[in-house]
Amino acid sequence: NAGVTQTPKFQVLKTGQSMTLQCAQDMNHNSMYWYRQDPGMGLRLIYYSASEGTTDKGEVPNGYNVSRLNKREFSLRLESAAPSQTSVYFCASRDNREQYFGPGTRLTVT
Amino acid sequence: RKEVEQDPGPFNVPEGATVAFNCTYSNSASQSFFWYRQDCRKEPKLLMSVYSSGNEDGRFTAQLNRASQYISLLIRDSKLSDSATYLCVVIPGQAGTALIFGKGTTLSVSS
Repeated sequence: NAGVTQTPKFQVLKTGQSMTLQCAQDMNHNSMYWYRQDPGMGLRLIYYSASEGTTDKGEVPNGYNVSRLNKREFSLRLESAAPSQTSVYFCASRDNREQYFGPGTRLTVT
Repeated sequence: RKEVEQDPGPFNVPEGATVAFNCTYSNSASQSFFWYRQDCRKEPKLLMSVYSSGNEDGRFTAQLNRASQYISLLIRDSKLSDSATYLCVVIPGQAGTALIFGKGTTLSVSS
């Protein structure tokens, strides 16, 4: 049981490049989430998916798109990366009680 | 008013000290409350849920005051390993299933 996995762990992009952050969970959870964490800002919700086939915007969705590929997988796409998207990105999934986080992706956009 | 606000910190305490963190939330319809712990450069992990009657887990005690919309976390006999950032987390009553995180309070325990 791996819990929540994320790839890649680290990534450096140039401004304007695109990339997809991958997330998968093996706990059969319905709800999945993408957050970004910046110094002094705390965890901010980008998008979430309450169940397979649905996605909703969070607090900071601009510049991102998501896909809930199936119950296990929830990907985050940056179509045209900007330096303001330099951050640590966490994926999470949730059961009735607890939210479980992946190890994070450290993204730098130059 | 922000949805979830925490003491700014950082808290620097010696081993063995008792330290308390506070958190306030703005949505009176909020249903569930938690404390998460985040170590440096790691993902957040659940420390404990917070129940209306208050609850204890070893050296950690969590309290909820719904009337004042206030949550607290008390750590007794602090250990070096307690050094981390503590996040107050609220599930609002009406906003789907998304959790709302406070910005966190950093604790540093020294010998």
